[in-house]
Amino acid sequence: DQQVKQNSPSLSVQEGRISILNCDYTNSMFDYFLWYKKYPAEGPTFLISISSIKDKNEDGRFTVFLNKSAKHLSLHIVPSQPGDSAVYFCAASVRELTGGGNKLTFGTGTQLKVEL
Amino acid sequence: GAVVSQHPSWVICKSGTSVKIECRSLDFQATTMFWYRQFPKQSLMLMATSNEGSKATYEQGVEKDKFLINHASLTLSTLTVTSAHPEDSSFYICSALHIEGARGYTFGSGTRLTVV
Repeated sequence: DQQVKQNSPSLSVQEGRISILNCDYTNSMFDYFLWYKKYPAEGPTFLISISSIKDKNEDGRFTVFLNKSAKHLSLHIVPSQPGDSAVYFCAASVRELTGGGNKLTFGTGTQLKVEL
Repeated sequence: GAVVSQHPSWVICKSGTSVKIECRSLDFQATTMFWYRQFPKQSLMLMATSNEGSKATYEQGVEKDKFLINHASLTLSTLTVTSAHPEDSSFYICSALHIEGARGYTFGSGTRLTVV
């Protein structure tokens, strides 16, 4: 049962344009969401997160949007750069990350390729 | 800061042998570490939660006698794949929780295990 889904396995975008990566979830108990970037043979690195009490969070070129009613979130990268080419995972947690160490449920990832 | 070192980065072993993977937090103490497994083009699947000084908590379907986890100190957790078989070949990643909040999870660089 895949509770966090990324239906697009790959996305190709031209440099300078906007990249939009999508993520859907089924568990209504999830209330904290994160995006990670991963290069081959490396561990994921944190990008940006959002709590369910918000519908938008922005950090530089990265913006995450959350639509709770649709159980959908998206990551916008603008402008896209060649160095952004990687696999992007969304992840969800039942409650905001605290010292208790909540489990993360990951999506299947989207391979982003930013072309010159 | 907040670096997690994982070794080895890759290992090839014969069927029936055991392999130990180490996960170290280099500049912080980690009372909780997590072990994930990733098959090609699939999501990161949580295998178990490792707690310093106590038994690990395994996810449903993960054989605790096959995947032995030891978290003997605040900076080291080990995963031992016992009596490895070709179907155990996968990418194993650890993560450690170091601070509260979104950036609290730091991932290791992963271990590519190939069982021949």
